[in-house]
Amino acid sequence: GAVVSQHPSRVICKSGTSVKIECRSLDFQATTMFWYRQFPKQSLMLMATSNEGSKATYEQGVEKDKFLINHASLTLSTLTVTSAHPEDSSFYICSVRGENSPLHFGNGTRLTVT
Amino acid sequence: GNSVTQMEGPVTLSEEAFLTINCTYTATGYPSLFWYVQYPGEGLQLLLKATKADDKGSNKGFEATYRKETTSFHLEKGSVQVSDSAVYFCALADSWGKLQFGAGTQVVVTP
Repeated sequence: GAVVSQHPSRVICKSGTSVKIECRSLDFQATTMFWYRQFPKQSLMLMATSNEGSKATYEQGVEKDKFLINHASLTLSTLTVTSAHPEDSSFYICSVRGENSPLHFGNGTRLTVT
Repeated sequence: GNSVTQMEGPVTLSEEAFLTINCTYTATGYPSLFWYVQYPGEGLQLLLKATKADDKGSNKGFEATYRKETTSFHLEKGSVQVSDSAVYFCALADSWGKLQFGAGTQVVVTP
């Protein structure tokens, strides 16, 4: 069964609103979580890396004030897209690594901003 | 910086046909190379990996060989099944463990 749960799988929101995406590890403690996004016909791009209890590390070009990442527990990380705009429409996917476990991916979230 | 280039899809082929998906990379140092697969409605799953030159990764009938001289990691399967229909991603990991993905190749296998 799935070891990572990502929710929601699809979300449509209006421009200017905020959207929260959750990523949960189900069978192990997630010491590190990664957030990626994929625009159509492009690669999955790493947005940020988060370790439990510390601030996320963002990749160059990713606005930390727009994409808020919270990794408050060893099983949950959230990505909040604040004041979403149509250009934020994308596929967002999390991956999770435990201390002695390989990388596992969530099913992804398709965000559409109208 | 590091990058991964893989062939565009969709690739459509009949059951029992031979599948090749090309993947080339540019990287500094000695990256590890991966193929991930995403079946419809599911998350990304690791299909196979190779951590050094000339290593061959294999799983579920798929194979890929880490070719340093051609900076390639082509995915092959000798006889595909309808259940192999999915999107396949080539990826590399740098020394810090960060993954860099290709754009993905959709494979459609028809009965």
